[in-house]
Amino acid sequence: ETGVTQTPRHLVMGMTNKKSLKCEQHLGHNAMYWYKQSAKKPLELMFVYNFKEQTENNSVPSRFSPECPNSSHLFLHLHTLQPEDSALYLCASSQDAGSYNEQFFGPGTRLTVL
Amino acid sequence: GQNIDQPTEMTATEGAIVQINCTYQTSGFNGLFWYQQHAGEAPTFLSYNVLDGLEEKGRFSSFLSRSKGYSYLLLKELQMKDSASYLCAVMDSNYQLIWGAGTKLIIKP
Repeated sequence: ETGVTQTPRHLVMGMTNKKSLKCEQHLGHNAMYWYKQSAKKPLELMFVYNFKEQTENNSVPSRFSPECPNSSHLFLHLHTLQPEDSALYLCASSQDAGSYNEQFFGPGTRLTVL
Repeated sequence: GQNIDQPTEMTATEGAIVQINCTYQTSGFNGLFWYQQHAGEAPTFLSYNVLDGLEEKGRFSSFLSRSKGYSYLLLKELQMKDSASYLCAVMDSNYQLIWGAGTKLIIKP
């Protein structure tokens, strides 16, 4: 596979469930990102990992927990979510996070919290 | 605060030209990006401007004026496949992307 892949593409979960989103990039990049995209709102940056180290956590609630075991893989662990967390969750990667580099996006996971 | 403004929706006719504007106020500036996002798909990179002026790439051009905090994306010879959302994003002094809400472009035959 090439580019940035995300699984699952769609997820429906109850507020008491625990689930994980997975992202994998095949581009040899060193930076990976999680974004939240809600309808008619700007993309919200959630987390940034640069060379496997978390460099940004933009005031994201603790019910979202990221994990980056290596430069190619990124997870977002979800637990006790709220209905307002329903959104498209996009993963992206770039060469690194400290300079200009375009970001390459995965297709996203459409999350619905019941 | 940081802010990116772009129109919510625009409509244009196949074969015509459309200009999508973006104004910004950010903490520092390390370039402006335009991305295209078809419904249900990933955003894909279109252009990057860091110096004033016009960058042309086929049917798409992007313009930047740093003194005015302004950019536009110009799409020529519109095709039905150009129906998508166009996202403007500015890289701030920390090299983080600050995003606009996107402009949904509807192309009519």
